[in-house]
Amino acid sequence: GENVEQHPSTLSVQEGDSAVIKCTYSDSASNYFPWYKQELGKRPQLIIDIRSNVGEKKDQRIAVTLNKTAKHFSLHITETQPEDSAVYFCAAAAGGTSYGKLTFGQGTILTVHP
Amino acid sequence: AAGVIQSPRHLIKEKRETATLKCYPIPRHDTVYWYQQGPGQDPQFLISFYEKMQSDKGSIPDRFSAQQFSDYHSELNMSSLELGDSALYFCASSLGGPLHFGNGTRLTVT
Repeated sequence: GENVEQHPSTLSVQEGDSAVIKCTYSDSASNYFPWYKQELGKRPQLIIDIRSNVGEKKDQRIAVTLNKTAKHFSLHITETQPEDSAVYFCAAAAGGTSYGKLTFGQGTILTVHP
Repeated sequence: AAGVIQSPRHLIKEKRETATLKCYPIPRHDTVYWYQQGPGQDPQFLISFYEKMQSDKGSIPDRFSAQQFSDYHSELNMSSLELGDSALYFCASSLGGPLHFGNGTRLTVT
């Protein structure tokens, strides 16, 4: 089955700095890669996703890059704000009927200091 | 906009008891997914249903079962509860695209 590794497990930055979280996956059949933000005790919220036919996607301060050859994808947050503090999860799925059969990374606790 | 509704929000059970969690997907969404998230862990896929038929199965214990009804709501039935079953249980729905998660049911087994 799919295995997703996520690093770092914790990340502390100053407000206004950039934050980068990296993930690798093992199953070459995976073609859908979402990123979720989760606050304590709350539901995961989709912040951005990318499909394997695209190398990069950006939405305001958030961007995701995908390297299919290396089986590696990354989340980039620029101009971080204290409200960005949360746990971030990457995930991978094979798409098609398995779109929602997500394998998650272990999570990154992001802390943005004012 | 309507979201995924889960009930109850909190549930406390004793060991060996049974529990039933309910999920009401976003209207017109045809696929429902169940995930289990232990304390400090990432969500783990349990099972999914597409058009009321089981479509995929993950790390769901044999003590658990689930189904999707004609109105598309889904129920996760958990029997012989163990302390290790204490977790947040999320339901999510989709219409062939990104998942929309409910607010979860926090199950505590004592």
